[in-house]
Amino acid sequence: DIQMTQSPSSLSASVGDTVTITCRASRSLNTYLNWYQQQPGKAPRLLIYGAVSLQSGVPSRFSASASGTDFTLTISRLQPEDSATYYCQQTFITPPWEFGLGTKVEIK
Amino acid sequence: QVTLKESGPALVKPTETLTLTCTVSGFSLSSARMGVSWIRQPPGKALEWLAHIFSNDEKVYSASLKSRLTISRDTSKSQVVLTMTNMDPLDTATYYCARKWYSGTLDAFDFWGQGTVVTVSS
Repeated sequence: DIQMTQSPSSLSASVGDTVTITCRASRSLNTYLNWYQQQPGKAPRLLIYGAVSLQSGVPSRFSASASGTDFTLTISRLQPEDSATYYCQQTFITPPWEFGLGTKVEIK
Repeated sequence: QVTLKESGPALVKPTETLTLTCTVSGFSLSSARMGVSWIRQPPGKALEWLAHIFSNDEKVYSASLKSRLTISRDTSKSQVVLTMTNMDPLDTATYYCARKWYSGTLDAFDFWGQGTVVTVSS
């Protein structure tokens, strides 16, 4: 199975800040890496697919990059509604399609 | 408009079998490049993928839970059903169904149900 290591587990930032979340895979994923946002009490929402592509309807302050087995989600101009837990997930080849353990973003 | 909605019991007893139903609309369960997974989330914990049914009716399961899970579908009712046997308090979680769509670089869970909370307790 592919292991996904996500960091940090939590962070606190102010409105307007830029934050970065990292996900490292135990092996190459090509670009089969997705990012989801889960606001408190809600279902997850797809933010980024194919490592770098913004899902329709997602604000452009969300962006992502990839380098080898390292993947990064960046939130620019942090907004109060960005308070949520963010998960990476691999969909490379066959299941299981593991999720990372999540990064909780708190707005100061 | 694509929607998924989970339904099932909110409370089950230890050792009982859980049956959850995911009713979908806005797409066909037999459409190419689509499938439906069940994913759960224990309180305060991360998401855990459980099982998936492909458009061709192929099924795959989490290795750690494979012996307890069965996923099936009724295309005429647009429903995907998950059964989990021998329920334990550790299975207490919110259970989600989600559509997986793969087209080009998009291979992700693009639509999710609202989730259904299942508590396992005597």
